[in-house]
Amino acid sequence: DADVTQTPRNRITKTGKRIMLECSQTKGHDRMYWYRQDPGLGLRLIYYSFDVKDINKGEISDGYSVSRQAQAKFSLSLESAIPNQTALYFCATSDLAGGQPQHFGDGTRLSIL
Amino acid sequence: GESVGLHLPTLSVQEGDNSIINCAYSNSASDYFIWYKQESGKGPQFIIDIRSNMDKRQGQRVTVLLNKTVKHLSLQIAATQPGDSAVYFCAENPKAGGTSYGKLTFGQGTILTVHP
Repeated sequence: DADVTQTPRNRITKTGKRIMLECSQTKGHDRMYWYRQDPGLGLRLIYYSFDVKDINKGEISDGYSVSRQAQAKFSLSLESAIPNQTALYFCATSDLAGGQPQHFGDGTRLSIL
Repeated sequence: GESVGLHLPTLSVQEGDNSIINCAYSNSASDYFIWYKQESGKGPQFIIDIRSNMDKRQGQRVTVLLNKTVKHLSLQIAATQPGDSAVYFCAENPKAGGTSYGKLTFGQGTILTVHP
């Protein structure tokens, strides 16, 4: 979805480095999410935010942190990257109303050596 | 159907055939369901959704069926085309109305391959 933009699209880095993945959206949605996808697995929720002042942990938040800088921006940080955090990361947004689909960016492929 | 593990279920069909992709969901409190399509190098793309007060919903060439009794969801694609080749995910939302959690739980995915 071109309305959800993730940067960078690809990143290779070393163990122990701090990394920030950024997400911006033009859909005007209040809710934003960060997911991780590993080969052969579905998407797993890392963190989510229902508005600018709201941050919640997902099922796999350990080793990650997030910042909701504005309604349109939600960044994911790996404070000290480790190899098993190598994965595909997706940002998604959804409308405030319940029962609405999430709209995804095209992902960031992160490799940690 | 979808299953947990590293090896995704696969479905191979000929162009023009109808495809049926199945999904078993786990949470009986889920009342909103979505199907996504993911092509290589892209994020999941919304296909169709259905609420639990419905058994069937149709879109363009796609139909979603919901059987709450056995907690089963299916996606039917009519006249499948090579461009339909992708990984298909189902997702459930534990609660769609009122105090919605707004979170989705995803299945593992099914690889659909359409042969010309």
